[in-house]
Amino acid sequence: QQQVKQSPQSLIVQKGGISIINCAYENTAFDYFPWYQQFPGKGPALLIAIRPDVSEKKEGRFTISFNKSAKQFSLHIMDSQPGDSATYFCAASKGVGTASKLTFGTGTRLQVTL
Amino acid sequence: GAVVSQHPSWVICKSGTSVKIECRSLDFQATTMFWYRQFPKQSLMLMATSNEGSKATYEQGVEKDKFLINHASLTLSTLTVTSAHPEDSSFYICSGGGGTGELFFGEGSRLTVL
Repeated sequence: QQQVKQSPQSLIVQKGGISIINCAYENTAFDYFPWYQQFPGKGPALLIAIRPDVSEKKEGRFTISFNKSAKQFSLHIMDSQPGDSATYFCAASKGVGTASKLTFGTGTRLQVTL
Repeated sequence: GAVVSQHPSWVICKSGTSVKIECRSLDFQATTMFWYRQFPKQSLMLMATSNEGSKATYEQGVEKDKFLINHASLTLSTLTVTSAHPEDSSFYICSGGGGTGELFFGEGSRLTVL
């Protein structure tokens, strides 16, 4: 059962453009939604995360938008750069404690072209 | 963010042998750590939850006798793939969390079984 659906599977954006990745979840008990960035051959790195008590969180060029009623959240990368080319995973968990299991989306391969 | 170190980062072994992968939290103590498996161009699949001083909790479908997990201290969890076969070839990643409640991932260990 895929509890977190992620789209698109792949994305090509020109340098300076906006990259948008969407995720939808089914389990209403989820209350922590992080995004991870993964480069080939490396482990995922935490990018930004949001709790459902806010609708938007911004850190530098990265913004999470959260729609609790629609059970959807998205990652926006502003002014996309070639160095942003990587695979991005959304995730969700019940609780934000260190014992909380993450359920991952299927991933989006982003390529930023010159 | 917190640092999680994995060793080895890359290992090749013969079919039928056992391989041990170490996961260390370098700047925090972790009572709980998670082990994931990732096939090429796929998402992370949770294998088991490693609990310090007690038995690991395995996800459905994961053979506990094949993937032995030991969490003997607050900074070290190990995954041993016993009697490895080519189908066990994969990218294994551990994660743990520090005081912020966020989970951080190791760099991953690529296992190739010949």
